[in-house]
Amino acid sequence: SQTIHQWPATLVQPVGSPLSLECTVEGTSNPNLYWYRQAAGRGLQLLFYSVGIGQISSEVPQNLSASRPQDRQFILSSKKLLLSDSGFYLCARDSQGTRSEQYFGPGTRLTVT
Amino acid sequence: QKEVEQDPGPLSVPEGAIVSLNCTYSNSAFQYFMWYRQYSRKGPELLMYTYSSGNKEDGRFTAQVDKSSKYISLFIRDSQPSDSATYLCAMSRTGFQKLVFGTGTRLLVSP
Repeated sequence: SQTIHQWPATLVQPVGSPLSLECTVEGTSNPNLYWYRQAAGRGLQLLFYSVGIGQISSEVPQNLSASRPQDRQFILSSKKLLLSDSGFYLCARDSQGTRSEQYFGPGTRLTVT
Repeated sequence: QKEVEQDPGPLSVPEGAIVSLNCTYSNSAFQYFMWYRQYSRKGPELLMYTYSSGNKEDGRFTAQVDKSSKYISLFIRDSQPSDSATYLCAMSRTGFQKLVFGTGTRLLVSP
């Protein structure tokens, strides 16, 4: 089966601290990968997507960055967290066929204090 | 105007009721339509996926797309307390296009 792992599951970080969230995908090769943020009571905001190793497209200019060092690994980072970075971060992959539907990981809940 | 509009709810129904969840959209180029279920503090789970217009049925769930009205629906028959969750609609223009999500409708099914 194709599984998405995310860690950590929850994280509490002070303002100004760095961030690294990891996403790994099993059971598929060359997936398109996505990072979303979901703020409380709001929809899903696409942050980054990647079509391959080292290829990152940014959707929203902000203090976050993403990297894809391996085919099945996608990392979300920040050098200095802001209060507004709090939220639920979701990694997703698309389907192997039509590439239209997306499947999500379990998410990381980030609280910036 | 948002590309995709979805009533946030909450929608409260008794167990066994038929539930209708809806989204409207403005971009006539959308061709792929999805419904996700999201339990509290969990990632969204893909429930239904349809291409273009028409109906698709899977167990107690039916997805309906009316492209002429730019309107999609998800029907849940014989609703159960375990169906209590937030339901998100999503859509895209073609394969490997960014998904556009609704903000979600919270459904509460009481026993």
